[in-house]
Order: sequence, then C-alpha cells, then structure tokens
Amino acid sequence: NAGVTQTPKFQVLKTGQSMTLQCAQDMNHEYMSWYRQDPGMGLRLIHYSVGAGITDQGEVPNGYNVSRSTTEDFPLRLLSAAPSQTSVYFCASSPGQGRNYFGPGTRLTVL
Amino acid sequence: SQQGEEDPQALSIQEGENATMNCSYKTSINNLQWYRQNSGRGLVHLILIRSNEREKHSGRLRVTLDTSKKSSSLLITASRAADTASYFCATDGGFSGGYNKLIFGAGTRLAVHP
Repeated sequence: NAGVTQTPKFQVLKTGQSMTLQCAQDMNHEYMSWYRQDPGMGLRLIHYSVGAGITDQGEVPNGYNVSRSTTEDFPLRLLSAAPSQTSVYFCASSPGQGRNYFGPGTRLTVL
Repeated sequence: SQQGEEDPQALSIQEGENATMNCSYKTSINNLQWYRQNSGRGLVHLILIRSNEREKHSGRLRVTLDTSKKSSSLLITASRAADTASYFCATDGGFSGGYNKLIFGAGTRLAVHP
C-alpha cells in the first residue's frame, strides 16, 4: 500500500493563479480531509469528505474548493491564489473515528 | 481557533531521559490523539485515548487523560535521538457521527541530544 500520496511536493504560484493539489489514498477509507499548517502552528482543517460525493467545510475553507468523485481521490483547488495561502498542505484519510493517515505534504508559496 | 495548547512549546533533553508533554483542550471530546511530525514530513499517528480511558501505553509511550481538567499528557521514556520531532495533540471536538474532525494544538518541539 502506498498509503496517502500528494502531488506536487513543492509549488510556487503568483497571486491570482489557480491550481489543484492532488491527494489519493489506496486504503479504501471513507473519510478524507485537507489541512494547512502555518509556521509555529498546528494543523487547521480546510475541507473534509465523509464519502464519495459528500464534502463539507472545515475551519478555514475560504479560497478553496474540493470535490470527491471517487473514494480514492480528493483534490483541493485554489481558485485565485493569495499570499495568505502560503502554507504546507496535508491530506489525510481515515477509516472512521480514530487515527488519521497523513500524506507527506505540499509546500506552497504564493508570491 | 485551535482547540488544544501544548506545554511546553519546546523541550530539550539528553538521550535516556524521559520527556513529558502536556495538552489542554476546551470542549468535550470522544477521543484524543497524539501525532509526531519529523521536520518537513507528514504526521504520524502515535496513540489514541478515548474519553472513558484514563491511561494508555504503547511501547515507550504513556498517555494519560483527565477529562475533568480537559488535559492530557504524553510521556516518552528512555528517549532516543530519533525521538527528536514535533508532537501534537488532536481532539475531535466531541462531534457526533462517524468522522472526527481533528482540532490540533500548536505542538511541542522535542530535541533529544546524544
């Protein structure tokens, strides 16, 4: 099992550009989520999904969109990048109440 | 807003010593988890303790939970240089339903010196 994979590892964007961060898991988990981590802080929940076709907002959803068309994939879209979105983004999956499995992260810089 | 606050923010010890990290949280919970993050990497799950449990062990890890004080502690015994990492507590905020939306503290940075 590859677990949770994320691409790209690094990305630099200019203000106003859009992009999609990819996340995939091969553990057949129902639950997937996106977090962002800013320097010196813990992770904050952006969006999450409790199954294919079902998504909901987390603590900091503004400026991001998600969709979940398959169990395996949960992409995160930045609609119009802003410097405030410079962060490290982590995708996670979970079989339910309990542990989450995290991907290696995408380090995003918005100039 | 962040649910938990870890204490201390940073901890520096020698190999072989024990390391204790504390976490406080604000709301009711179903469970509390501890994660480790090595520099520049993803988070790795260490241990989960449910709200009706008071203590749990896993190898060199010991976690306690006091729901009356809304606090938890993580003890790493006989620390090793490889334990150098940031440690985060995460709670589920007491949400009902099948999925726990994790709420993280800011973490404790542990440095273990050979």
